[in-house]
Amino acid sequence: SSELTQDPAVSVALGQTVRITCQGDTLRRNYATWYQQKPGQAPLLVIYGKNNRPSGVADRFSGSSSGNTASLTITGAQAEDEADYYCESRDNDGNHHVVFGGGTKLTVL
Amino acid sequence: QVQLQESGPGLVKSSETLSLSCTVSGGSMSAYYWTWIRQPPGKGLEWIGNVYYSGITNYNPSLKSRVTISLDTSKKQFSLKLSSVTAADTAVYYCARRGSGSEDGSNYYYYMDVWGRGTTVTVSS
Repeated sequence: SSELTQDPAVSVALGQTVRITCQGDTLRRNYATWYQQKPGQAPLLVIYGKNNRPSGVADRFSGSSSGNTASLTITGAQAEDEADYYCESRDNDGNHHVVFGGGTKLTVL
Repeated sequence: QVQLQESGPGLVKSSETLSLSCTVSGGSMSAYYWTWIRQPPGKGLEWIGNVYYSGITNYNPSLKSRVTISLDTSKKQFSLKLSSVTAADTAVYYCARRGSGSEDGSNYYYYMDVWGRGTTVTVSS
């Protein structure tokens, strides 16, 4: 099965822009989906498809993709954005298998 | 507004079978993949498997020999059974709704937009 690789930790100064990346061969053919998870809470969908946000998700969150790398960008990071972020995608095996990245811990300084 | 609620024992003995259910309220089960995900303490998310509303299942290859996911649309529930559990199966177990869509009619995206709150399952020796 495919793998998705994320940096374990990233930090950003309050109000600055941060990019969280996710790499994997399956991303050449499949979209990445991004989730935010805060301690003790279930994950929350933040980005799906080319660059779609569910209602209620702040417009400072955006997504992009190039080749085998998908990115989640937070423009003007806020203290409440400090969380773990996970990418996921459909596996490349032709079935509806799902693969998650290992997660990125975002610290807002 | 669709809501999901996990239920089942919080403690399972080693070598026995873990059984959880997820109840769907506030919406239809049609046209979605009903999914189980788990998260061991301090670790990341792991996809366990899903069941499409038609009953077709997909499982994580690493768990496939021990996992069964089933659907009961009349009760608006789907269930997880994980056999021969060990301490490594201790985790928070989430159920989620997985949907799909397309912006151009040929490339599809998938997303889990509704999640249960999660239930902690501890495997004891």
